[in-house]
Amino acid sequence: DIQMTQSPSSLSASIGDRVTFSCRASQGIYNYLAWYQQKPGQIPKLLIYAASTLHSGVPSRFRGSGSGTDFSLTISSLQPEDFATYFCQKYDTVPWTFGQGTKLEI
Amino acid sequence: EVQLLQSGGDVVQPGGSLRLSCAASGFNFNDYAMTWVRQAPGEGLEWVSSISHDSEKTYYADSVKGRFSVSRDNSKNTTYLQMSSLGVDDAAIYYCAKRHTNNVAVPGNFFDSWGQGALVTVSS
Repeated sequence: DIQMTQSPSSLSASIGDRVTFSCRASQGIYNYLAWYQQKPGQIPKLLIYAASTLHSGVPSRFRGSGSGTDFSLTISSLQPEDFATYFCQKYDTVPWTFGQGTKLEI
Repeated sequence: EVQLLQSGGDVVQPGGSLRLSCAASGFNFNDYAMTWVRQAPGEGLEWVSSISHDSEKTYYADSVKGRFSVSRDNSKNTTYLQMSSLGVDDAAIYYCAKRHTNNVAVPGNFFDSWGQGALVTVSS
């Protein structure tokens, strides 16, 4: 099975910062990569799919990139509501594996 | 508005069984594959099981294969996860989630709507 590895596991940043998270697949998955945001006590929320397509209603400060095995999620200017955990997910074939998450902290 | 209303979470003894339900509204349930994802306390997301729109295809993570069974009743707009031989490693919040598209020709399975979650505790 393809493994999904996210780095870093946690990241400290400040309001207004630009941050980038990484997600690496153990084998190529083309662009079948989604990103989710989960705040404490809340359900996951879809942010990006097809590696770089913003889901409806997601602010444009979120940007996804990459293909094959290496992907990234960038938030251009952190807002208070962005502090959360971010998960990537491969969705090409079964199993539809998630990364272990990156926790973004103040 | 898409809504996924879950029920069935409970405390169960090791080796026990439990059935989770997920009642859908706000979309044509018959057309969409559905999935179960779980999250152990303080941990990440783990895909558990998926079922096609017509129940023809079911998929399971290796960790639950042979113990869990996914099903759906399109007349009730509801999907179920029957869990048996539960162990402490199965303790988690279980989410149901809706596939992003109803187009079966489009490959892949990611999730644009999630239920509120159902807490499963495995304890003697």
